[in-house]
Amino acid sequence: QVHLVESGGGVVQPGWSLRLSCAASGFTFSSYSMHWVRQAPGKGLQWVAVISSDGTKKYYPDSVKGRFTISRDNAENTLYLQMNSLRTEDTAMYYCARDFSYGSGTYLLSWGRGTLVTVSS
Amino acid sequence: DIVMTQSPDSLAVSLGERATINCKSSQSVFYSSNKKNYLAWYQQKPGQSPKLLIYWASTRESGVPDRFSGSGSGTDFTLTISSLQAEDVAVYYCQQYYDTPQLTFGGGTKVEIK
Repeated sequence: QVHLVESGGGVVQPGWSLRLSCAASGFTFSSYSMHWVRQAPGKGLQWVAVISSDGTKKYYPDSVKGRFTISRDNAENTLYLQMNSLRTEDTAMYYCARDFSYGSGTYLLSWGRGTLVTVSS
Repeated sequence: DIVMTQSPDSLAVSLGERATINCKSSQSVFYSSNKKNYLAWYQQKPGQSPKLLIYWASTRESGVPDRFSGSGSGTDFTLTISSLQAEDVAVYYCQQYYDTPQLTFGGGTKVEIK
């Protein structure tokens, strides 16, 4: 059974940094691309980042490019999201999600419960 | 980026009746080389994380009840719930993966009981 557990969320001030983690179990972590997707309070879903199964390819939308960095530790079955220069508009629930495949991103088979990030002065 | 537009924003349907949700992409998500539409549907129940319902526009994920079906091709897609049940109250999202890695979601459609 696939299990994804996010952690690391919290309340921070604008300009601060935060690192999210996602512990994966129940599948061969190193065989799949992994994503971060966020959802602002009362709003829809926004894709934030994807990393290929081997960690060599990483992609972001323009809204977070240069501020967020996705990474993974396949030995520890853990996905990370380093978020720098946080803005109030980054306030959201952040979900970790497993892709169907190993490359640049397709559909999202499994989702964690999310971790809440609040950016406020 | 491909923009995904869903309609309506919300709908109220009586138990046992059909619910129909539309999703339109700003450009085709159909690959002629493999004849597949790169579109997925997700269900998000209140207080829960999203759950995959359908991929390749019409393939139901394992364990999803057969009252859920997806159809359409190119730029216009539909998610149909043939006989609405109380447990289907949720927000439904479409997502394209044609423009990978730039994945984009529709704005969501909230389904309620009338």
